[in-house]
Amino acid sequence: DTGVSQNPRHKITKRGQNVTFRCDPISEHNRLYWYRQTLGQGPEFLTYFQNEAQLEKSRLLSDRFSAERPKGSFSTLEIQRTEQGDSAMYLCASSPRTGNYGYTFGSGTRLTVV
Amino acid sequence: QKEVEQDPGPLSVPEGAIVSLNCTYSNSAFQYFMWYRQYSRKGPELLMYTYSSGNKEDGRFTAQVDKSSKYISLFIRDSQPSDSATYLCAMSFVSGAGSYQLTFGKGTKLSVIP
Repeated sequence: DTGVSQNPRHKITKRGQNVTFRCDPISEHNRLYWYRQTLGQGPEFLTYFQNEAQLEKSRLLSDRFSAERPKGSFSTLEIQRTEQGDSAMYLCASSPRTGNYGYTFGSGTRLTVV
Repeated sequence: QKEVEQDPGPLSVPEGAIVSLNCTYSNSAFQYFMWYRQYSRKGPELLMYTYSSGNKEDGRFTAQVDKSSKYISLFIRDSQPSDSATYLCAMSFVSGAGSYQLTFGKGTKLSVIP
């Protein structure tokens, strides 16, 4: 168990480009979450997967954002036509099937849109 | 008014001091209360978890929840320089889709001076 792994750690992209981030959760965790954190703020919920099904999406997740979790394993978050306002830390977290004992977060992917 | 309010600080204390961190919330549906610690450029790390009013102790850390006042606290005894980090309160309830979506405070930045 190496925890939640996120790649890349840092991504710099030009405005208008597409970017994709990857999250590998803890292997026995069937719940997976994506959050976004901007400077000086707490993380904000983006979306939730239970196994491969995307069951909740925040209003923050505009139509430029898409997330997948094929086969209920790793997950990807894609942002199309990036804007400067998308610059943030994107955090992935996973939790076990039963109970709520808090999540395990990854170290995040820091996106800078120039 | 945000659902979760947390004084962002910064808070600076001498080594060995008792630290008190607080959050208030407005949503009575919150059932689970957590404190996370976040070091610079890292993901949040779960420190304390509780779901009932009262106190919960873990080593130098004590979490306190008062549901009647919608107020939670984290106390750190004998603070150490290694405690220097941002402390985030977080709260959740079970959604209809079965997620434990977290709502975070802004975080309080703590510095413990040797």
